[in-house]
Parts: sequence; C-alpha cells; structure tokens
Amino acid sequence: EAQVTQNPRYLITVTGKKLTVTCSQNMNHEYMSWYRQDPGLGLRQIYYSMNVEVTDKGDVPEGYKVSRKEKRNFPLILESPSPNQTSLYFCASSWGRMGYNEQFFGPGTRLTVL
Amino acid sequence: GENVEQHPSTLSVQEGDSAVIKCTYSDSASNYFPWYKQELGKGPQLIIDIRSNVGEKKDQRIAVTLNKTAKHFSLHITETQPEDSAVYFCAASSPGFQGAQKLVFGQGTRLTINP
Repeated sequence: EAQVTQNPRYLITVTGKKLTVTCSQNMNHEYMSWYRQDPGLGLRQIYYSMNVEVTDKGDVPEGYKVSRKEKRNFPLILESPSPNQTSLYFCASSWGRMGYNEQFFGPGTRLTVL
Repeated sequence: GENVEQHPSTLSVQEGDSAVIKCTYSDSASNYFPWYKQELGKGPQLIIDIRSNVGEKKDQRIAVTLNKTAKHFSLHITETQPEDSAVYFCAASSPGFQGAQKLVFGQGTRLTINP
C-alpha cells in the first residue's frame, strides 16, 4: 500500500530534550516536506527536500533541522524543543514539485513540549 | 508573499444541502489551487484542484470555481452526506514561491453535516 508513515504518533516531552520524528514514504517520491498545523493558522511549511541531500527552508524553519540521506526518509529534528513547538506535525511527499502536484500526507504526530 | 484567507472557519449544514467554502489569495501570479480534506485523526488528502487556465472543475458532488480577476476560488459540495464532515483546506501556489515548492494554505474550515 502506498503510504507515508510517521513515528511516533504522539509525543510528550520536556523543554530542551532533543527529539526526532521519523517520516518514510514508499512511493519513490523525490519531494518531501514537513508542515506544522496550529488552530487558526492552517498548515505551514517547515522544511522541504527536492531530493537526497537537497533541503531548503520553508516558512517556519526556526528551531528545526532536517536531513535527507535516503530517498524514502526525511526525519524532523528538534534539538532543543520549546513549548511554542507544541503542535501537530505532518510529513508529506510528492512525485513532482510540491506546489504543483498532489501531496501525500502522513497521519500526523502530535507533539507536546512541557 | 502570498496570503490565503479562508471563510468560514466553521460551517454546519443539513444532510442533503449544499456547502460552499470560499478562499481569497493575494498574489496574482498564483496558478494552482488545490483543496484538501482532513478527516479526524488523519492527514489531509487532496480532493480536487484547479489550475488558472480553467474557470471551473467538477468531480461528482464536488466542484471548484476560480475567479482570477477577483482572486478568489470556492469549493462547492452538493447533496452533502455525513462522510463529508471534516476540515477542509484551500491552498495556492505560484511559480515564484521557491520554484513552486510551496503551497500556502488557508486557515481551514470545519464542516459538520447534521443528519
């Protein structure tokens, strides 16, 4: 089954404790992206990747890191999480440019930073 | 940069009635306008999209209209059913946005279908 998977689905952590949210897709998509969803703000892009080893900032990259060492994986790293990073996070992938083609979203990761 | 405004934030309709969600965008260069549906506990899923060379597109009970002059586009759902209850997001994209690598999303509309 074609899908985007994320882990964990739920995470409660404390300020400053490094964490990684994994994302994997099995559709051989070149393009991947991370979003955060907050009430009243819709979905905002954090980082995106156009291929292995090619990443760039989205609208809200501060406090986040990403890496793309393999085509299928695109982990999101919070090296020192803060309470304002409490949010619902989505990974997405696309066969073509993210702004012009259907994006396939993962199920989401709900993160709470205390 | 691009700004997308979506209204209303919540919408409640009787089963069988029609629902309309409206979005406006600011960048006249925007040329791709998708709509995503997010069911409870799931990620958004594309339901329909329209490109700027088309004024209207229909897929069964769902239709999208685009008015480039006024810079707004709308989602129309006819004969609504309980499974249409979800959060809907509009979005816009322009070639100028990081080489078309970015969608700008609206704030979302929570649609509730009452039986």
